[in-house]
Order: sequence, then structure tokens, then C-alpha cells
Amino acid sequence: ETGVTQTPRHLVMGMTNKKSLKCEQHLGHNAMYWYKQSAKKPLELMFVYSLEERVENNSVPSRFSPECPNSSHLFLHLHTLQPEDSALYLCASSQETGGATGELFFGEGSRLTVL
Amino acid sequence: QKEVEQNSGPLSVPEGAIASLNCTYSDRVSQSFFWYRQYSGKSPELIMSIYSNGDKEDGRFTAQLNKASQYVSLLIRDSQPSDSATYLCAVNKGGYNKLIFGAGTRLAVHP
Repeated sequence: ETGVTQTPRHLVMGMTNKKSLKCEQHLGHNAMYWYKQSAKKPLELMFVYSLEERVENNSVPSRFSPECPNSSHLFLHLHTLQPEDSALYLCASSQETGGATGELFFGEGSRLTVL
Repeated sequence: QKEVEQNSGPLSVPEGAIASLNCTYSDRVSQSFFWYRQYSGKSPELIMSIYSNGDKEDGRFTAQLNKASQYVSLLIRDSQPSDSATYLCAVNKGGYNKLIFGAGTRLAVHP
């Protein structure tokens, strides 16, 4: 496996379900991100973990719960979602060296549909 | 006002022409600027970064930055059908990669 892999690629869930999205990076990076991409809207930064510590949480509803057990793995736990949460969820990683290179490596995304 | 604004397009150009993509940003403290390309059904990939005023060239791509006007652009010379994609402008205000993205401009290069 190379790069950033996300599973599942597609997920359909009801509003009362609990599910999780998984992301794994094989690049040796020390920072990981969750972004939400909805049609015709900009990528929205949801969470940032640097060295396994959450450094950014952009006022995301509590029905989204991130977990970063180590620098290679990132999860997004989902519960009691709303139909408007249907979107493409992108995981990304980068190597933080104290400067902002802007080079994020994205996974292929998990397409979520909430019924 | 959106933090990063782009014309959604589509921008349609003939093969071999120059495609010009534009982006404006609202926060003057923005320090670094990026262009990502996203093919349909794929994830974004970084194609250009620029940190200081002026032009930066990489092959057929030229990024231009004007901090006084809060304006970033991407020129693609000798456009090819394979350049057809959505181009995302992103700015970084912080000390780590906290990128704020525009909604993207869809580029269509027709033979």
C-alpha cells in the first residue's frame, strides 16, 4: 500500500446508525486531516492532528468524533447524522517541519450518503 | 465574504491555448498560496505553490501572486485535454498546513 488509503470508499447509513471512516497513511507523515467536500462548495477543514494531538477543530458538530491513535491512522466516528452530512470525506496527511508547505496528500475519499 | 473566491466556470479553452485561472483572498495575513488540481472522481493533488510576489514557473504552469491586490492566478500554457479538471486555490494563514480552499474553477480543454 502506498500513499493515503481510506475505507470504506462508499457508505450509506441511516440517521440512527453508528459507523466509522478509516484513514491510513504510508508516507511517514506526522500530521493528518479530515476535510468535507460537498458539491459546489469549498473543501471544509474539519479536524487537524499534528503528532497525534488535535490542534484544530473547526466547530464541527459533535455527531462527528475524530480519533488519532498513532501518526499513521485516523478515524472519523459518525453517529446520528443528518441528510445534509452527505458528502465526500477526504483524509489528508502532511509532514510538518515548522513551516507551511501546503503539500497535503489526499486519500481517494469516502463517499457518505445519509438517508 | 468568502475567504477564498474563485469563478466556478466552466472555463472552456481550445487545445493549445493559454488557460487563465484566478483567485482572490480576503485575509491579508495569508502567507502562502497553492493550486491543487482535482480530476473528476479523484482527490486533489498539489501542482503549484507560491510564497512571494511575482511569477513562479514550472513547466507549462505559471503561478502569479500579487499580495497588494490579494490576488493569485494560474496560467496553463499549451493547454491539453488532459488538463481538464477542477483547479482549487488554497491559502495558508497559519504556521502549519491549515489550508483554506476556494470552491474551484472547472477547466474544459476541447480538441
